[in-house]
Amino acid sequence: NAGVMQNPRHLVRRRGQEARLRCSPMKGHSHVYWYRQLPEEGLKFMVYLQKENIIDESGMPKERFSAEFPKEGPSILRIQQVVRGDSAAYFCASSQNPGQPNYGYTFGSGTRLTVV
Amino acid sequence: SQKIEQNSEALNIQEGKTATLTCNYTNYSPAYLQWYRQDPGRGPVFLLLIRENEKEKRKERLKVTFDTTLKQSLFHITASQPADSATYLCALDGSTNAGKSTFGDGTTLTVKP
Repeated sequence: NAGVMQNPRHLVRRRGQEARLRCSPMKGHSHVYWYRQLPEEGLKFMVYLQKENIIDESGMPKERFSAEFPKEGPSILRIQQVVRGDSAAYFCASSQNPGQPNYGYTFGSGTRLTVV
Repeated sequence: SQKIEQNSEALNIQEGKTATLTCNYTNYSPAYLQWYRQDPGRGPVFLLLIRENEKEKRKERLKVTFDTTLKQSLFHITASQPADSATYLCALDGSTNAGKSTFGDGTTLTVKP
């Protein structure tokens, strides 16, 4: 039973390029969350999605960032025209139902984005 | 604004002792509080969850307390081992923010043999 799978593990992009981060939730989980962790800082919530729906995107920057969780396939976090400040670790988590968090959230190993 | 503080960025203790980590919060009424462990280069791993109406939770060598009056949670690791060395994160979830956890910056624990 694979956990939350994120790829790629490491991603290097030049300023102005696009970055696409993928997350496949744990089997049976239909809720996906994206968090960003800047160096020496804690995890910051970005967006919460269910299949085909964005539930809460209050943590997403207003520009250049978007997320989706299609009916088929992984969740995608997309960053357009990346800047150096986007360099961070991006973590995806999943759960069966946020209203029943007895087992917490299952996190992936993250994608480390470096913008050069 | 909501604020979570985990005291002392780093905590060093001797093997066999009890490690106590603190999580304080302000301007928040969490429905439950979670503790996670994070190793370098890895994602957080869930350890324990405690609800607002619970005082204490235990799991093997781990114990969590939750005082909503003091707005504080304590996380204890008894009989600590070098393998317990990691960064420990607390996270709050409000009942109205299901799915949106607010994390502290973490406390890095080092257990010396």
